[in-house]
Amino acid sequence: KAGVTQTPRYLIKTRGQQVTLSCSPISGHRSVSWYQQTPGQGLQFLFEYFSETQRNKGNFPGRFSGRQFSNSRSEMNVSTLELGDSALYLCASSLERSQGWGYTFGSGTRLTVV
Amino acid sequence: AQKITQTQPGMFVQEKEAVTLDCTYDTSDQSYGLFWYKQPSSGEMIFLIYQGSYDEQNATEGRYSLNFQKARKSANLVISASQLGDSAMYFCAMREKTTSYDKVIFGPGTSLSVIP
Repeated sequence: KAGVTQTPRYLIKTRGQQVTLSCSPISGHRSVSWYQQTPGQGLQFLFEYFSETQRNKGNFPGRFSGRQFSNSRSEMNVSTLELGDSALYLCASSLERSQGWGYTFGSGTRLTVV
Repeated sequence: AQKITQTQPGMFVQEKEAVTLDCTYDTSDQSYGLFWYKQPSSGEMIFLIYQGSYDEQNATEGRYSLNFQKARKSANLVISASQLGDSAMYFCAMREKTTSYDKVIFGPGTSLSVIP
């Protein structure tokens, strides 16, 4: 079956711009989570969506937002980009009833802010 | 608060040898899941192995095994017969799932280099 698909793979943006990243989960997975990975901070949880509702949110400023559509696809948006937003953004999907290895990551979107 | 500690920033191992990557965790929950992921330079997080907090036996997946010591809150990854392709970052992670949220936190990672 198809894995978690994230688009685009690479992105270069200018400070002050906004960006939208997309994540298509594995078919049947209704939970989608987003993570930011940087060399200095490691992997940090951004937010989790389930059935179009944000269930959990990490400690990020309001410039970071997301949403989930009825087909479970999710988008995250970062407004007014800062240099420090340069990172690998990873999306993961999972089955609702699974706590185990149903948690699958996409290949990530590497965002560079210049 | 949950916390994952990986005390080895970098490790080297000879090809075909076994290696243990350390992970300790801190949680007050009784029900949780522990994971190990591999991240090669391409960036994708690859699931390796899972251990549930109520599982009495240590998890194994091919060359990977998880040495789970619940009382010590330890979940070390053992890779047997290391291969050159095992060179990557390895992350220990813990998942806490309730009816109201589902969150996974990650440790800082260990960089493993396999030497020919």
